[in-house]
Amino acid sequence: DVKVTQSSRYLVKRTGEKVFLECVQDMDHENMFWYRQDPGLGLRLIYFSYDVKMKEKGDIPEGYSVSREKKERFSLILESASTNQTSMYLCASRTGGGDYGYTFGSGTRLTVV
Amino acid sequence: AQSVTQPDIHITVSEGASLELRCNYSYGATPYLFWYVQSPGQGLQLLLKYFSGDTLVQGIKGFEAEFKRSQSSFNLRKPSVHWSDAAEYFCAVGPPNFGNEKLTFGTGTRLTIIP
Repeated sequence: DVKVTQSSRYLVKRTGEKVFLECVQDMDHENMFWYRQDPGLGLRLIYFSYDVKMKEKGDIPEGYSVSREKKERFSLILESASTNQTSMYLCASRTGGGDYGYTFGSGTRLTVV
Repeated sequence: AQSVTQPDIHITVSEGASLELRCNYSYGATPYLFWYVQSPGQGLQLLLKYFSGDTLVQGIKGFEAEFKRSQSSFNLRKPSVHWSDAAEYFCAVGPPNFGNEKLTFGTGTRLTIIP
C-alpha cells in the first residue's frame, strides 16, 4: 500500500516563527498536495505539485510556500506563522495518470500561539 | 468551476439503522466522483469512486453510492450502520480526464451513531 507520512502529528509554534511541515510518500507518485482542514470549511487546497521543482497555487496559498526538491518529499512552509494558521494540515499524493485516488497522510495539527 | 455541496453538516443515526449521506455537485460534464471517510484524528481514506459505467458503485466497509446524472447527485448509503462508522465523510469531484488534475472536496458530514 502507498504510504504518505507526515513528520509530526502535533506541533505548537509561536507567532512569527518559520514553520516547516514535511510530507513523504513511498510510491513514486508524481502529484502531491497540501490541504488545510477547518471545521465547517472542509478541505481547502493550499498548494500542489505535479513534478519535482514544480508547484501550483491552490485556493488559499497566501502565507504559505512549498518546496519539492525530490519526488517523494513535499514540504509546506509557513514563512511567519500567525494564529489564523492554526489548523489541521493534510498531505496527499496520487499518480499522475490512471487511477485518480488520493492517498492521504494522517495529518499535522498545528497550533500557533 | 467545479463545486461540491454536502447539505448535512451533522447526522445522527441509531446503530443498525440505514444511512444516506447526500452529495450534490456542479460540473459541466460528468465528473469523477469520490467518497472519503475520516476517523477522528486520522487522514482521509477512500471509500469508493465513480468514473463511468454502472451508476451504483460498491465500496469498502459495506458502503455504496449511486450516481444520478439528472439530479447531479452522488449519495452514499449503507443498509445498517455500525458504531465504528462514526466519522466524518467527504464527497469529492474531479474533472473527467487524466493528468495533473485536482479534486474539490465538500465541507463534510459528521456522522454520530447512537446505541
